[in-house]
Amino acid sequence: DVKVTQSSRYLVKRTGEKVFLECVQDMDHENMFWYRQDPGLGLRLIYFSYDVKMKEKGDIPEGYSVSREKKERFSLILESASTNQTSMYLCASRTGEVGAFFGQGTRLTVV
Amino acid sequence: RKEVEQDPGPFNVPEGATVAFNCTYSNSASQSFFWYRQDCRKEPKLLMSVYSSGNEDGRFTAQLNRASQYISLLIRDSKLSDSATYLCVVNMGGNEKLTFGTGTRLTIIP
Repeated sequence: DVKVTQSSRYLVKRTGEKVFLECVQDMDHENMFWYRQDPGLGLRLIYFSYDVKMKEKGDIPEGYSVSREKKERFSLILESASTNQTSMYLCASRTGEVGAFFGQGTRLTVV
Repeated sequence: RKEVEQDPGPFNVPEGATVAFNCTYSNSASQSFFWYRQDCRKEPKLLMSVYSSGNEDGRFTAQLNRASQYISLLIRDSKLSDSATYLCVVNMGGNEKLTFGTGTRLTIIP
């Protein structure tokens, strides 16, 4: 089974802090994604990466950056956390035509 | 128009009944289609891929209509454990990005 692991289930951070969300997958997938999920808005793509050191903006990249130094790891960075970034963050990985597999999610609260 | 559109529901269906969801997508060049299931406060999990010829997995049947740009999911003999939110997912083509619908909430009533 594919395993996608996110570093934290719950995080509470203060406004203005720099926040790192880590994601690791164990199936050698080329593609990795970061989504956020909010009630009524569904999953929205923040960034994705199709190879090491490669990244592309998704639909809502503002206020975020990403890093992919190794194939198995994809990090999401909130440069200066704000309260409107309180959300559920979901990491996923994918290869070929198969659907994506998700991590368990990180529920981030910015106070 | 949203890229992927679903009826949000909720659908409240008695146990044993058959229920069907539709999902429409805007990009005719879309290449891959999936249904996901998401339980409350959990991550989405892949339920099934959707192929042009239609496909079945036990009580679940998925179909694709390219001409009308919609996909469907049929659940037969519904169980209490089928209660969840069902997400329609489309790969629009050109890259590996997956676009999600906002989901259809299903509750199976005993």
